Parts: sequence; structure tokens; C-alpha cells
Amino acid sequence: DIQMTQSPSSLSASVGDRVTITCRASQSITTYLNWYQRKPGKAPKLLIYSASTLQSGVPSRFSGSGSGTDFTLTISSLQPEDFATYYCQESYSPLYIFGQGTKVDIK
Amino acid sequence: QVTLRESGPALVKPTETLTLTCTVSGLSLGTIGSRVSWIRQPPGQALEWLAQIDWDDDKFYSTSLKTRLTISKDTSKNQVVLTMTNMDPVDTATYYCARMFVTGTTNWFDPWGPGTLVIVSS
Repeated sequence: DIQMTQSPSSLSASVGDRVTITCRASQSITTYLNWYQRKPGKAPKLLIYSASTLQSGVPSRFSGSGSGTDFTLTISSLQPEDFATYYCQESYSPLYIFGQGTKVDIK
Repeated sequence: QVTLRESGPALVKPTETLTLTCTVSGLSLGTIGSRVSWIRQPPGQALEWLAQIDWDDDKFYSTSLKTRLTISKDTSKNQVVLTMTNMDPVDTATYYCARMFVTGTTNWFDPWGPGTLVIVSS
């Protein structure tokens, strides 16, 4: 099975900071990589699909990049509503493996 | 606008069978291209995809849980039902249903339901 490894597992940041989260796949998944945001008690929300395509309605401060095994989610200027947990997910295999998540909290 | 909502028991006993229902609005489960998955997240662990059912009744299961899972749909009620047999405390998790959106060769889960917490305990 493909393994998806996110880093860091958590980070503390301030409003306005640039935040970068990485996701590494154990084998090449080309650009079959999605990113989600989850807030406590809320449904997970799709942010980016196909590694770099912003889902409609998602603020442009979110961006994704990468291909093969290494991917990045970047928040260019962290906003108060961005404090949440972020997950990557591969759509290369029929098992749809998720990363362990990165919790972004207030510094 | 497509919305999904999970329902089911909050507490089940070990060895019991869990039945969860996902009620879908804004999308007919009989429409070509309609696909709904179940995904769970145990406390402190990663999200785990469990099963999927398509508009044509094709079904797909996690290889590790295949023997315990059954997914079905009731098109008249626009509901997707997941049953998991022989529940164990390690199955304690928040269970989500989500639409799988497919385009070309890629896919993603959107939207998701808010999730329902299931605790397995005697």
C-alpha cells in the first residue's frame, strides 16, 4: 500500500505568517494528490485537487504544488479562520490513503 | 448544492453489528456518475477510506475490512447504508460519508458530511 507522510504533525503560527505543510508519498503518485481542511465538529473541506488546482470558493492564499512523491500545501498569509487540521490524500490507488494530518494552531 | 448527513448509534457493544445511514440531498443516487464513500477516523489516527457505492450499484471495499463491510443504497430514500460486523473497541471512530467526484482519471471527496462519532464499548 502507498504510505502518505505529512510533516510537521503540528505547528504554531501567527496571523499573517506564511505556512508550509509537506506530504510525501512512498511511491510516485504523479499529481493524484488532494488536500483537505478540517475544523473541529465540521465536515472536512476540499481545498486543492490534482496537487495544485484550487477548489472553487477556496481563498487564493491557499496553494498546492508538487508531483511524483513530494507535495506542498502553502498558506501565504495565515488568517484566523485557517487554524485547523490539514490532510493530504492520494487518489492514485483505489485505497485513497490519507496522511496523518497537520494541526495548525495559534502561536 | 449537495449535502450529506450521517446517522446511526453513538454507542455499540463489542461483537455487535454497526449500521450507519448517509442521507444525501441535492444529488440523486441513481444519477449516472453518483458515487458515495464512507471514511472513518479513529481518535488520533489518520482518515481511512472504507467503502464506496456507485450509481450503477458497483461496490468497492477496503481490502483490510472487506470481510466485515457491506454497503448498499436505497435510491427511493436517497440513502447509503454501511454495515460493519463484529465491532471492536478499535473501531471507535468518527464515521463520515462523502461524495466522490470523478473527472477524467482523477477523483476527490467533496462534499463530506459532518461525521458521526461511534464508540464501541461494553
